[in-house]
Amino acid sequence: GQNIDQPTEMTATEGAIVQINCTYQTSGFNGLFWYQQHAGEAPTFLSYNVLDGLEEKGRFSSFLSRSKGYSYLLLKELQMKDSASYLCAVREYGGATNKLIFGTGTLLAVQP
Amino acid sequence: DAMVIQNPRYQVTQFGKPVTLSCSQTLNHNVMYWYQQKSSQAPKLLFHYYDKDFNNEADTPDNFQSRRPNTSFCFLDIRSPGLGDAAMYLCATSFATSSYEQYFGPGTRLTVT
Repeated sequence: GQNIDQPTEMTATEGAIVQINCTYQTSGFNGLFWYQQHAGEAPTFLSYNVLDGLEEKGRFSSFLSRSKGYSYLLLKELQMKDSASYLCAVREYGGATNKLIFGTGTLLAVQP
Repeated sequence: DAMVIQNPRYQVTQFGKPVTLSCSQTLNHNVMYWYQQKSSQAPKLLFHYYDKDFNNEADTPDNFQSRRPNTSFCFLDIRSPGLGDAAMYLCATSFATSSYEQYFGPGTRLTVT
């Protein structure tokens, strides 16, 4: 089975940097995703890591360490619109199709 | 624009009254998924279709059924909704052999009275 842990809530200031951590335990790891979800809306894809290291995409970066079962999402130059829930999801190895197991999400509040 | 569409966005049904939620996609993806997300919880996979092959999760109640009449459409049927079935229902799609990113629809929020 799989277990995914991330902090429930975080608060940060506009313009600052915030790091959201995710730890996971899995029997068949095949990639890790980060999604952003605003209240009442569908998750939107932010990043994907399958190899160790840092993936950078504009203000968002995601890091993966497979040996440690650890990932983080780094948000730079925070904006008020970044207030949302950030979901860490692990892809379970399943051949041609994939199954995502989601964490419960980290609710980020960006304050002025 | 290619997208995933869910109808209706909000659905109210009565306890025990069957309800059907709809999902359509213009992405021509092979795989379509249905997730249930209750308030402040993670999305939970109910089942998925890979083309016409149906894959049910072991812990999905029998009360939940699905149909995929063609590539573009997929339906979620709740045969006898209970109060505990009130949730956001998310449809998602993906290619089986691409980067495996899943594209989500806007969701249908189901209320059971």
